[in-house]
Amino acid sequence: DQQVKQNSPSLSVQEGRISILNCDYTNSMFDYFLWYKKYPAEGPTFLISISSIKDKNEDGRFTVFLNKSAKHLSLHIVPSQPGDSAVYFCAASEVSYGKLTFGQGTILTVHP
Amino acid sequence: DTGVSQDPRHKITKRGQNVTFRCDPISEHNRLYWYRQTLGQGPEFLTYFQNEAQLEKSRLLSDRFSAERPKGSFSTLEIQRTEQGDSAMYLCASSPQRGPTDTQYFGPGTRLTVL
Repeated sequence: DQQVKQNSPSLSVQEGRISILNCDYTNSMFDYFLWYKKYPAEGPTFLISISSIKDKNEDGRFTVFLNKSAKHLSLHIVPSQPGDSAVYFCAASEVSYGKLTFGQGTILTVHP
Repeated sequence: DTGVSQDPRHKITKRGQNVTFRCDPISEHNRLYWYRQTLGQGPEFLTYFQNEAQLEKSRLLSDRFSAERPKGSFSTLEIQRTEQGDSAMYLCASSPQRGPTDTQYFGPGTRLTVL
């Protein structure tokens, strides 16, 4: 059972525009959500997180939105840069220090 | 560099052989996690340590897998009698024990190929 789903395998965006990556989850016990970025041959790099008591968290060009009623979160990158091209994973856990359940990933390509 | 380190980065072995991977967490991080990632999928949780205590194991961790963290610092993951289905990227992560934002920081991974 896939408790965290990223339904878009890939996304292509022009440099300077907004990138929106989406993630859905089914486990209502999830309380903490994160986004990671991964380059080939490297481990995932932490980007941004949000706890279930919030609906938005911003860090520079990255904003994560959480809609608990819809069990949906999204990552907005504005403006997108070619260096943002990577695989993006959303992840969730029941407690902030607990095991992470990951989605399948979305390949983001930002064209110059 | 004070990030999570893993050794080796790549391992090729023949089916039936035993392999062992090492993970060195970020200094003073007392939580350590192992994940496995196969092609086209996100990482899947294997097991988790708090200091030297192994607190949770996934159903994915069959009897052939064993993980240790004897002194609460580095950890090893051993796979006995490897099978072709064990071919994957094995990722280690660590996190500090403080506050509500115990973010897990990942190492570069060990890529295992079983022939």
